[in-house]
Amino acid sequence: ILNVEQSPQSLHVQEGDSTNFTCSFPSSNFYALHWYRWETAKSPEALFVMTLNGDEKKKGRISATLNTKEGYSYLYIKGSQPEDSATYLCAWLQTTSGTYKYIFGTGTRLKVLA
Amino acid sequence: EADIYQTPRYLVIGTGKKITLECSQTMGHDKMYWYQQDPGMELHLIHYSYGVNSTEKGDLSSESTVSRIRTEHFPLTLESARPSHTSQYLCASSEYRGGRQETQYFGPGTRLLVL
Repeated sequence: ILNVEQSPQSLHVQEGDSTNFTCSFPSSNFYALHWYRWETAKSPEALFVMTLNGDEKKKGRISATLNTKEGYSYLYIKGSQPEDSATYLCAWLQTTSGTYKYIFGTGTRLKVLA
Repeated sequence: EADIYQTPRYLVIGTGKKITLECSQTMGHDKMYWYQQDPGMELHLIHYSYGVNSTEKGDLSSESTVSRIRTEHFPLTLESARPSHTSQYLCASSEYRGGRQETQYFGPGTRLLVL
């Protein structure tokens, strides 16, 4: 199993601050990277699917970029709100002989203080 | 909103008991997955299925077993629970699209505590 790492593990920001965090993954044999948001007591919810080097995706105040050559993706939140508080997971899609498996990072736990 | 359900949400049980964690989805997805997550750790794939009568073990060794008799149902069974099985178990499903675009939809999870 190859590692997917996320940093920081957790952070606290003030309401209105912008923030970003990193997902690092193996740069060889890249296939896809998924971002999920997981609020406490709820199900993880898909945010973005990133497939091409240089991809930039946006959903409201949240955006993500992808660099497959160096093996990282950034997730940005502009003007953080308390409802953004959640754990943000990235999952690297590993392919082996035609089968696909997600390798998850440990997540970044974001707390937005009002 | 995804239609994938897990029961029970929380379970406290004694060592040696047999337990079944239920997972159902109403989206008609062929692929289903079970993940295990210990506090502060990654989600680890323990079982997956590509469709009815298909089950495969994931990367993390698990003493649990699964079955897939119906498309919508993917229960996970522990024949004899032990304290080492204490963890959170998440079920997910996805529609087959050849890999890249296969977004997984997750259930709310079952938190299991074995005493």
